[in-house]
Amino acid sequence: GAVVSQHPSWVICKSGTSVKIECRSLDFQATTMFWYRQFPKQSLMLMATSNEGSKATYEQGVEKDKFLINHASLTLSTLTVTSAHPEDSSFYICSALSVGLETDTQYFGPGTRLTVL
Amino acid sequence: RKEVEQDPGPFNVPEGATVAFNCTYSNSASQSFFWYRQDCRKEPKLLMSVYSSGNEDGRFTAQLNRASQYISLLIRDSKLSDSATYLCVVNQYSSASKIIFGSGTRLSIRP
Repeated sequence: GAVVSQHPSWVICKSGTSVKIECRSLDFQATTMFWYRQFPKQSLMLMATSNEGSKATYEQGVEKDKFLINHASLTLSTLTVTSAHPEDSSFYICSALSVGLETDTQYFGPGTRLTVL
Repeated sequence: RKEVEQDPGPFNVPEGATVAFNCTYSNSASQSFFWYRQDCRKEPKLLMSVYSSGNEDGRFTAQLNRASQYISLLIRDSKLSDSATYLCVVNQYSSASKIIFGSGTRLSIRP
């Protein structure tokens, strides 16, 4: 299957700092990427849809000024958690949409585990 | 009503058993369907797409019933390594893909 990478795989930061997470589609171009968050023993929660060359679409309740998304190329989307707080500690997973002739398929990155102290 | 609903589980079955998961979706315009598996503290990985004619991949069989708006996943001869959370995913495509995840069903295979 298609390959999506995420960097970093884990990060520990102090409260109030900003953290940038990169998501790359390695062997296909992705006009659309998605950012999810998952707390322990809970379901994936879609945070936003990242569209190459345009503004991201945020889900209800997700602060766009806190979670900055940039999709500057067809293979890279970044999520910046600004002024991180302990409650932002979570597993952040991106995915990239591979557009096919019959269907679109989503491939996930390995995730980034964020711990805010 | 949730757009995609799954058996909450957890399912705890012995090795070698056959286990079936069901998933229902509410939007009849949904166009494509998938099963993903997610291991603890890992990302979801595509297990298989689900086609109208049904499809099989080794011990795994997926079926789609558009009339009743449900999809199923059957695992035969279950292995310890099948223990994971299984996610039902529905793609409602109009002008762009809208991908909806079920909340997942946890499966635990015991020796």
